[in-house]
Amino acid sequence: EAGVTQFPSHSVIEKGQTVTLRCDPISGHDNLYWYRRVMGKEIKFLLHFVKESKQDESGMPNNRFLAERTGGTYSTLKVQPAELEDSGVYFCASSQQPPDSSGNTIYFGEGSWLTVV
Amino acid sequence: GESVGLHLPTLSVQEGDNSIINCAYSNSASDYFIWYKQESGKGPQFIIDIRSNMDKRQGQRVTVLLNKTVKHLSLQIAATQPGDSAVYFCAENKGGAYKYIFGTGTRLKVLA
Repeated sequence: EAGVTQFPSHSVIEKGQTVTLRCDPISGHDNLYWYRRVMGKEIKFLLHFVKESKQDESGMPNNRFLAERTGGTYSTLKVQPAELEDSGVYFCASSQQPPDSSGNTIYFGEGSWLTVV
Repeated sequence: GESVGLHLPTLSVQEGDNSIINCAYSNSASDYFIWYKQESGKGPQFIIDIRSNMDKRQGQRVTVLLNKTVKHLSLQIAATQPGDSAVYFCAENKGGAYKYIFGTGTRLKVLA
């Protein structure tokens, strides 16, 4: 079974440009999450989809970030315009059920490593 | 506010020795805890989890201990191997919530 896949794996763009990151969750997983880790800091939650609906986007840094999941399958995260502080690794994760104390955990992709210069 | 932190940013261990990675959490309402391993250039990989109604859980070469009294979580790796070198993150989750709160990570270096 394929895991969570992300594209591109690495991206270097100039400040002010636009970048779109894509995530394909594990097949059958309705829950899709975006997290990011900026240099030296913890992994932070960005948002959560259930199918095509955004359940919580409280972690999105600002309106330069836009996430979509049309059709409830793959998701995209667009950064426009990119700033230097957006550099970091963006992780996508998915799960069948939301994580809870029953042990439904989430599975991460390998990340999209973004460098803004 | 809520936070999950780690006591040591880097841990160096001799190959074959046991490793202990510690984590403190502040939200007493959290009831599910997870350890992830992140190797260089890869995403976090699930290692082991534990629910708040347990004190200890064992996996293959790994053990997670939970001390709710002092809000402390630890990951023990037996007979540490070079392949265990990675950054280890603990994360907490509150039942009914869908987001994990991560610590900053501990880098484990295995010395030959």
